[in-house]
Amino acid sequence: AQSVTQLGSHVSVSEGALVLLRCNYSSSVPPYLFWYVQYPNQGLQLLLKYTTGATLVKGINGFEAEFKKSETSFHLTKPSAHMSDAAEYLCAAQGAQKLVFGQGTRLTINP
Amino acid sequence: SQTIHQWPATLVQPVGSPLSLECTVEGTSNPNLYWYRQAAGRGLQLLFYSIGIDQISSEVPQNLSASRPQDRQFILSSKKLLLSDSGFYLCAWSTSGRKNQPQHFGDGTRLSIL
Repeated sequence: AQSVTQLGSHVSVSEGALVLLRCNYSSSVPPYLFWYVQYPNQGLQLLLKYTTGATLVKGINGFEAEFKKSETSFHLTKPSAHMSDAAEYLCAAQGAQKLVFGQGTRLTINP
Repeated sequence: SQTIHQWPATLVQPVGSPLSLECTVEGTSNPNLYWYRQAAGRGLQLLFYSIGIDQISSEVPQNLSASRPQDRQFILSSKKLLLSDSGFYLCAWSTSGRKNQPQHFGDGTRLSIL
């Protein structure tokens, strides 16, 4: 069965610093992978998705993620953090009938 | 374009009272529909999903039920709420028949049980 692991339940970076949020998946078939962002008391907003083709995927708000099959990873990055990036980030992989979510990573931005 | 509406945004209910949360999708037909719950420190838990009218799958045994009376309407219900039903409830939809399509989420309902 598909599973998703997000390393680090909390990540803190300084404003302007690189953001790196880690996600690993387990699957015996090529996965469909997604990153979502959730602001307090709001629903999930899709940041980006990988289905097929280019392994470097660009999303909204300056985020991007790279699919690495050999490492079964789909890490999310942003070159320069903004205060507005503070939120919960969830990685997900498509299973048989449903999405399988990681536990989420709370990103804090220090001024 | 497609939109998803979920209401109410917040709800405070006493233990033992009934519950009805409603979710509707516009701008698409025959969507897959989902109910999730987020409880503090427990991540996102899938409660129910539906691939069509009267086709609902339950993911975990619990005090809740779901119904889909119309193609784009998904209702989460309970006859008697428990304290453990507190949480943030999210409805979502996706395009049916295509696994590479993401789920799109509503704004959620914050449910507090007193």
